[in-house]
Amino acid sequence: GQNIDQPTEMTATEGAIVQINCTYQTSGFNGLFWYQQHAGEAPTFLSYNVLDGLEEKGRFSSFLSRSKGYSYLLLKELQMKDSASYLCAVRDSNYQLIWGAGTKLIIKP
Amino acid sequence: DAMVIQNPRYQVTQFGKPVTLSCSQTLNHNVMYWYQQKSSQAPKLLFHYYDKDFNNEADTPDNFQSRRPNTSFCFLDIRSPGLGDAAMYLCATSRGEGGHTDTQYFGPGTRLTVL
Repeated sequence: GQNIDQPTEMTATEGAIVQINCTYQTSGFNGLFWYQQHAGEAPTFLSYNVLDGLEEKGRFSSFLSRSKGYSYLLLKELQMKDSASYLCAVRDSNYQLIWGAGTKLIIKP
Repeated sequence: DAMVIQNPRYQVTQFGKPVTLSCSQTLNHNVMYWYQQKSSQAPKLLFHYYDKDFNNEADTPDNFQSRRPNTSFCFLDIRSPGLGDAAMYLCATSRGEGGHTDTQYFGPGTRLTVL
């Protein structure tokens, strides 16, 4: 079966750095997405990785290792508004998105 | 601004009373998706349209139907809502032009309550 694993919840301090991990087992791989979802709102696109390595976008970076079936989302200089769920999704060989359940990130002052 | 719009944002219906949720997009994307998401769970794909071609997920209940009368609009019909259908319903679109960077963009969602 296809599976995406992420920690259920993480807590971090305002101004700090946090890394949210995602491991996947899917039938084929055609890219990995990270989305941010605030409570009661829709997911918003953060990043896309298809090749191994690090993609940086301002305070957010995403890393991919296809051989390990592993990705992480790195958030720097955390702000209170970063409190949200972060969803990892992998596009499989059929170009279907397989979603993780998301990691709820709690930011404390 | 180009966007995905969902109406209403909040919908309350009674057990067994049909309800229709709507989605429109100004992105001119080929593909439109409907997802169901329950609290602290992953979004679950119900079906998607590639242009007018309808694709139903194997485990989507028959209680859920969809219509796409034109490129811009897509509707989700729940024929006889049950208590288990209470959820957030998310509409998303993507270009569908192939390639690895085909990103899905979401509307704000409709929160459905079933009484």
